[in-house]
Amino acid sequence: GAVVSQHPSWVICKSGTSVKIECRSLDFQATTMFWYRQFPKQSLMLMATSNEGSKATYEQGVEKDKFLINHASLTLSTLTVTSAHPEDSSFYICSATLGVLRPQHFGDGTRLSIL
Amino acid sequence: GQQVMQIPQYQHVQEGEDFTTYCNSSTTLSNIQWYKQRPGGHPVFLIQLVKSGEVKKQKRLTFQFGEAKKNSSLHITATQTTDVGTYFCAGPTNGNKLVFGAGTILRVKS
Repeated sequence: GAVVSQHPSWVICKSGTSVKIECRSLDFQATTMFWYRQFPKQSLMLMATSNEGSKATYEQGVEKDKFLINHASLTLSTLTVTSAHPEDSSFYICSATLGVLRPQHFGDGTRLSIL
Repeated sequence: GQQVMQIPQYQHVQEGEDFTTYCNSSTTLSNIQWYKQRPGGHPVFLIQLVKSGEVKKQKRLTFQFGEAKKNSSLHITATQTTDVGTYFCAGPTNGNKLVFGAGTILRVKS
């Protein structure tokens, strides 16, 4: 149980393009999902907490207008990187949890390359 | 804010040797979690420790949670090539969020 699916797994696009990444909890309902960014050989940096039915909570230094998060249902959260530029290239990973203080279950991640 | 430090950053061992990674938090933790990320993959949950002084084993992996609930360790006995990856510890903060350590990259020479 507790499977999280993330799509797409790999994106290459031109600078200025907006990219949408989907995160789905397949076999459970997730009122909260998390979006992370990870650079090569570095740790996971939390970008924002996605809350079903309300606005996302962004970490300090993360531009909410740049990284749009929508959590419209208990099984789906989306992250849209708007007007992406080469510096936005990274590995983006979502996760969901079954409850407070419970382990997080991660999606496969999305490798984003902006040319 | 809360910080979770993890050492070493990198370890390269011969297959069959033991491996240990250490985690230290700036604050007392309600629990600590360990994750493994294979090269090119995503983090996978390994275990959660909750009690002070707790020790848990998973086959060749031994996890410990310090008495003060501020530090933890993961020890792998007789490493195998399948153990290759990055091991992260993580502690909860502000409710449901996790703060991850920097991770320890393990490479195993066969």
